[in-house]
Amino acid sequence: AQSVSQHNHHVILSEAASLELGCNYSYGGTVNLFWYVQYPGQHLQLLLKYFSGDPLVKGIKGFEAEFIKSKFSFNLRKPSVQWSDTAEYFCAVIIGDSSASKIIFGSGTRLSIRP
Amino acid sequence: EAGVAQSPRYKIIEKRQSVAFWCNPISGHATLYWYQQILGQGPKLLIQFQNNGVVDDSQLPKDRFSAERLKGVDSTLKIQPAKLEDSAVYLCASSQQQGNTEAFFGQGTRLTVV
Repeated sequence: AQSVSQHNHHVILSEAASLELGCNYSYGGTVNLFWYVQYPGQHLQLLLKYFSGDPLVKGIKGFEAEFIKSKFSFNLRKPSVQWSDTAEYFCAVIIGDSSASKIIFGSGTRLSIRP
Repeated sequence: EAGVAQSPRYKIIEKRQSVAFWCNPISGHATLYWYQQILGQGPKLLIQFQNNGVVDDSQLPKDRFSAERLKGVDSTLKIQPAKLEDSAVYLCASSQQQGNTEAFFGQGTRLTVV
């Protein structure tokens, strides 16, 4: 069955530390990939997306992600985190063709930043 | 641009009662999704509409959950009767079309079944 795995459930970092959150998916076909962020008390918001082209995608607030097809991975990175990055981060994958595609989410990674 | 609207924001009901949630997607968005997000887990797709037709409802517990999008715009999700394990946040999302387009999410409805 198709699935999305986020192996880090809770990550705690100090401000200015570098961040990498893992995301792996299991699906052999063409995929479109997303990272969504949910700040405390707010709705899910798109952080970045990959549809095609350059596998290194840059998103908002200094985040980037790299699609590595051979590893079925789409890891999220940020060189220097801020306290305001405290949130829950969800990796998501669109699988299937346009007539029957669906979005599958990972279980999320809670990021806590120590000031 | 107005976002996805959901109501109510919070609901507390007793088990075996019924409840309904409402969603108004972004204007012009053909695809509408209902997700269930249990605490500590990622959103799980319950049902997906393309206009007023159901594309995927494979994970919808059809013995107690139902959803409709009669005019291809707003949608309601109903639970009858509710169980304790239905306590979750119910998220509505919409996208312009299926396929390679992002989904925009509403604030969600937090349901507590006691």
